[in-house]
Amino acid sequence: NAGVTQTPKFRVLKTGQSMTLLCAQDMNHEYMYWYRQDPGMGLRLIHYSVGEGTTAKGEVPDGYNVSRLKKQNFLLGLESAAPSQTSVYFCASRLTGAYEQYFGPGTRLTVT
Amino acid sequence: KNEVEQSPQNLTAQEGEFITINCSYSVGISALHWLQQHPGGGIVSLFMLSSGKKKHGRLIATINIQEKHSSLHITASHPRDSAVYICAVLDNYQLIWGAGTKLIIKP
Repeated sequence: NAGVTQTPKFRVLKTGQSMTLLCAQDMNHEYMYWYRQDPGMGLRLIHYSVGEGTTAKGEVPDGYNVSRLKKQNFLLGLESAAPSQTSVYFCASRLTGAYEQYFGPGTRLTVT
Repeated sequence: KNEVEQSPQNLTAQEGEFITINCSYSVGISALHWLQQHPGGGIVSLFMLSSGKKKHGRLIATINIQEKHSSLHITASHPRDSAVYICAVLDNYQLIWGAGTKLIIKP
C-alpha cells in the first residue's frame, strides 16, 4: 500500500515548455486534490476531483489543466509554463464522507 | 484578513519545553485539521477534530467552536519535533489553510 505517490519529484522547465505531473493513490479514494505551496503562504487549491471523469476549479486554477480518467490517477498539466508557476506541488486524496486528506511527497518545480 | 490565522509564525524553544501553537479562523467549519510538514517536505496528518480535545503521544489538540480557536500543544518537546505545523479548517469539504508555524526545538 503505497498511499499517495507523485511523479516526478523534481523538475526544471524553461518558460513556455509544457509538462504533466502525475498523482496516483491506491486507497480507492474518490476525492483528489492538487495544491501549490509557496514560501510564506498556505497551501492553495488549484483543482480538485470528486470522482473519475469529474474535475473542478479551486482557488488558483489559471495556467493549469487537470484530468481524472482513472479513479486512482489525477494529472496536473502546465501547457505553457511561466516563472510564476515555480512552486512545490502537492497532491492529496480522501474518501467520500471522511474529512482527513492524505498527501503525496510533493513535486518541486522550477520554471526559468 | 486571512480566514485562517496561525500564531506564532516562528517559534524557537529548548528541548523539554511545553509548546503551544494557535489557530484562529473566521469561517464556519465542519472540522479542523492539524498537519505537520517536515524539512524534507512531506505533509502528515496529525489530528482532525470538530470538538473538544484529542491526544496522541506528546501531542494534544483542542478546539473551541464558539471562540473559533484551536491550539496544538507539544509536551516535553524534542528536536525531532522541529517542523512546520499547519492548521486547516474544513468548510464544505474544502480545506482553507493557515500559513503554518515553523517550530525549531534546540537540544
